[in-house]
Amino acid sequence: AQTVTQSQPEMSVQEAETVTLSCTYDTSENNYYLFWYKQPPSRQMILVIRQEAYKQQNATENRFSVNFQKAAKSFSLKISDSQLGDTAMYFCAFPLSNSGYALNFGKGTSLLVTP
Amino acid sequence: DSGVTQTPKHLITATGQRVTLRCSPRSGDLSVYWYQQSLDQGLQFLIQYYNGEERAKGNILERFSAQQFPDLHSELNLSSLELGDSALYFCASSAPGGGLYNEQFFGPGTRLTVL
Repeated sequence: AQTVTQSQPEMSVQEAETVTLSCTYDTSENNYYLFWYKQPPSRQMILVIRQEAYKQQNATENRFSVNFQKAAKSFSLKISDSQLGDTAMYFCAFPLSNSGYALNFGKGTSLLVTP
Repeated sequence: DSGVTQTPKHLITATGQRVTLRCSPRSGDLSVYWYQQSLDQGLQFLIQYYNGEERAKGNILERFSAQQFPDLHSELNLSSLELGDSALYFCASSAPGGGLYNEQFFGPGTRLTVL
């Protein structure tokens, strides 16, 4: 089964600090992409960052970076210099090749950034 | 703004009723995905259409159906509504040929409340 597990239902971080959100997954695919989506209080789903499993280099998008460990099937998201606007639900996801590449989401981590 | 539109934003109805949710994908996107987000089930894939044809099914109930029209907009029909169908329904679209890369662009969602 292709599963995604986010073990941290809630996290809190102070403004300007760094926080890491965890995600583990299980798939039999050899090549795949992994995604982190952000859902702020507005409920809009926004792509934060993506990683291709074949690339050894971890993806980075400004203050957001990933720690991708393929053998361990781990895909954590690091947010540096946290800002109040980072307060949101964060979902880890990957496409299901047997379902038209629909996204399989984890349960999410609710991140609160405090002043 | 993702370029994906959904109407209506909010819908309040009674048990046993039928509703239709509408989605217009980004210009040029052929794939439309429907997802349901509820407190107990999280984000779940319901169904995918590609260029007018059903491509993949997820955890979609038999009371639910969808279609994609020649102009590529899609409708999700929910019938014999139950209290448990109350959720946020997202539509997402992706460009043709994305495959595993498959970045999906989400609409703002329709909040359905069944009383």
